[in-house]
Amino acid sequence: GAVVSQHPSRVICKSGTSVKIECRSLDFQATTMFWYRQFPKQSLMLMATSNEGSKATYEQGVEKDKFLINHASLTLSTLTVTSAHPEDSSFYICSASWTVVETQYFGPGTRLLVL
Amino acid sequence: GENVEQHPSTLSVQEGDSAVIKCTYSDSASNYFPWYKQELGKRPQLIIDIRSNVGEKKDQRIAVTLNKTAKHFSLHITETQPEDSAVYFCAASRSTGTASKLTFGTGTRLQVTL
Repeated sequence: GAVVSQHPSRVICKSGTSVKIECRSLDFQATTMFWYRQFPKQSLMLMATSNEGSKATYEQGVEKDKFLINHASLTLSTLTVTSAHPEDSSFYICSASWTVVETQYFGPGTRLLVL
Repeated sequence: GENVEQHPSTLSVQEGDSAVIKCTYSDSASNYFPWYKQELGKRPQLIIDIRSNVGEKKDQRIAVTLNKTAKHFSLHITETQPEDSAVYFCAASRSTGTASKLTFGTGTRLQVTL
């Protein structure tokens, strides 16, 4: 149980384009989803927290107009990187959880390369 | 905000030996401390967690200890095996019973040699 999927697993795009990443909870209703970014050989850095049906809460230093997060249903959250630039190239990982559970279950990650 | 420090950054042990990874946290209100294992290019996987109302938890070859007064917690892996080789992250959060934002440590790359 507690399976989280992400799509796509890998994406290459040109600078200036937008990229959408989906995060799905497959066998539970995710009341809360988190989006992390991980640069090579570094730790996971929380970008934002989203609760179903409400606006995401962004961490300090994360541009909310650049990283658009939508958590429209209890099984799906999306992260859109708008006007991507090479410095946005990273491994983006989502996690999900449900009410009264502290554990976060992670998706497999999306590797973004911006040329 | 919370700050989590993790040591060592790399650790090499021989198969069968024990490995210990240590973390310290700054926020005395943190009360939930999970440990994640991440293999190269894969998702982090929860291996054990501990809450602030207990001092130690064990699951087969893995144990975690927590010292609330000193604000540090440690991961202990006994009888290490090659498949234990991975990056291990500690994390801390203020939990109210539901998932809360995790602050991760910088990670420890564990190499188990034959």
